Amino acid sequence: QSVLTQPPSASGTPGQRVTISCSGRSSNIGSNTVNWYQQFPGTAPKLLIYSNDQRPSGIPDRFSGSKSGTSASLAISGLQSEDEADYYCAAWDDRLNAYVFGTGTKVPVL
Amino acid sequence: QITLKESGPTLVKPTQTLTLTCTFSGFSLSTSGVGVGWIRQPPGKALEWLALVYWDDDKRYSPSLQSRLTITKDTSKNQVVLTMTNMDPVDTATYYCAQLTPRGIDYWGQGTLVTVSS
Repeated sequence: QSVLTQPPSASGTPGQRVTISCSGRSSNIGSNTVNWYQQFPGTAPKLLIYSNDQRPSGIPDRFSGSKSGTSASLAISGLQSEDEADYYCAAWDDRLNAYVFGTGTKVPVL
Repeated sequence: QITLKESGPTLVKPTQTLTLTCTFSGFSLSTSGVGVGWIRQPPGKALEWLALVYWDDDKRYSPSLQSRLTITKDTSKNQVVLTMTNMDPVDTATYYCAQLTPRGIDYWGQGTLVTVSS
């Protein structure tokens, strides 16, 4: 049911840079801003990035977001063990008139 | 401090109607641009957006579930209620309510696990 496509997994070792892609279409990412959420097992998601590339207060600057056309990306620089979590992209879809989430990406820190 | 908390049954039988209540604090649903929405997550699966209601009572629903969902707000009680009819085992999930701001879905509740089983 997810409209936005993400890779199932994106692993890295401590200190590495990891990038997660989010592919959509003109009616969602192509027309609206993208948010990213971080979710640890058994807990609620937390807003990580909003408006494509903005970090809420308290989010480390090693997390960054970008958008180009109908795709968006989340980058984690200087990966840390505490970053091991699931990550979801999301955007409003004008055609569906609905909020849509990505398929989710698990980031294990090796 | 913004908080949201979901409440409702943890177990419902197939064909029954689920009623969940989101009680929030730290913001007002009469503030322009603000909304409250519901999102669910089946065990081990991705997030799925269900519905939202805006400060002006504008309501939006997931197209695939629209016929089964109703969302209402009680601004004076700081509550938003979601009802889902004709529950099925595939509806077993953790149901979250969340605040919607111009930033998007912002603050989330802790979630409540609803199991559908006879």
